[in-house]
Parts: sequence; structure tokens; C-alpha cells
Amino acid sequence: SQQGEEDPQALSIQEGENATMNCSYKTSINNLQWYRQNSGRGLVHLILIRSNEREKHSGRLRVTLDTSKKSSSLLITASRAADTASYFCATDGAGGTSYGKLTFGQGTILTVHP
Amino acid sequence: DTAVSQTPKYLVTQMGNDKSIKCEQNLGHDTMYWYKQDSKKFLKIMFSYNNKELIINETVPNRFSPKSPDKAHLNLHINSLELGDSAVYFCASSPTGTLDGTEAFFGQGTRLTVV
Repeated sequence: SQQGEEDPQALSIQEGENATMNCSYKTSINNLQWYRQNSGRGLVHLILIRSNEREKHSGRLRVTLDTSKKSSSLLITASRAADTASYFCATDGAGGTSYGKLTFGQGTILTVHP
Repeated sequence: DTAVSQTPKYLVTQMGNDKSIKCEQNLGHDTMYWYKQDSKKFLKIMFSYNNKELIINETVPNRFSPKSPDKAHLNLHINSLELGDSAVYFCASSPTGTLDGTEAFFGQGTRLTVV
């Protein structure tokens, strides 16, 4: 079954606005990661938050993690047209060395209009 | 200086054929993966190798056979291709798996179309 589910499936905003994407998962995790995929390209790692962390920042990105609710959010502030892409959350399961097996959500398609 | 490179980028082939996709990483990572992304963009792990040893095999039909000649290379061979195999296949690598986990570096993908 799919581990991560993202919400919304699609998000359309104007340049300069903030974009918030949510991710829910089902099992215990070591960490949760967010990736970006531009159309026709590979995935690019954005940020990793460990299960004992609650919030993390990287540039215009802010990620929160609530392990009690098994959910995470990705906030992109002051969005730019170049942020247009699909965004995926991925969980790295707990319980021993997982060798980095990532379980991906279905993704959120973000469109930022200039 | 591509970190994870896979070839070919596009592959169109007929049902029943056998094809291979190659992947190489120059990051010095111990762990490599194959992921499949379907038409709905859902990504699912297929295989994981750590230092040439198969670690993860996720209920993939045995028509799919990965091969890792060394830790920098992980190739994927597919026999008797079926229409349902059409997808984008991504190779990825990461440093040795740890309890905390690390980020994965992805290749650009191979879009396989079976006709």
C-alpha cells in the first residue's frame, strides 16, 4: 500500500505567494524527505527531517514533522515561477537499517504563475 | 560531471523484446536503487544493491533482473517486455544505509515505451 499521501494533488498560485503541501504516512519512520521533480527530469532532494526533529528550514523551504499525527508539511515562501514542479514526500522506514529504501507519496503538482 | 547517469534516456521497443538500461554513479556511494514511476507519477522501489549485493527486491516479476558488476554500476535487464512495463525507470544512489538514513541522488530517468 502507498505509504505517503500528499495533499493537495495540485496547487496553483501566483508568484510571490506561499505554497503549502502536506504529506501523511502510515508507519514509523527514521526520517522524511522532500523531493522536487521538474517535468521530464529526475528527482532532486530538497530537505530531510529526522523523526526526532519537529521543524527544519532551508532557504525558502520550511518543513514540519508531526510523528504523533504521522504527517509533514512543506512550505515554500515567496514562490517563483521556477518553483513549478511536482513535489514528493518520501519516508525512510524505521526498524533497522533500511538501506535507504524510500517510500514515496503520490506527489503535489505545483504551478506558480508569473 | 553528472552524478548519477543512466542510458538510454528514451527507449521504444516492441512487446516481447529484451532490453537493458544502464546506470553509473560517480559519487562513491555504496547503495544503488532502481525505482519505477508509472503514468500517474507514482514512484515505487524495485531493487536496492549495497556494495554489489542485492538488498531489496520488491515483488518485481522475475523478467526484471538487476546486475551490479561493481558498486558504481547497477544495470537493469528486462526480458519479454510487456505493455505494462511502459514507465519511467529511475536509478538512484545513496551513501551506505544507516539507521538515520540519507538522501538519494537520482538519475534523469529512462522513459520506456513498449508498443
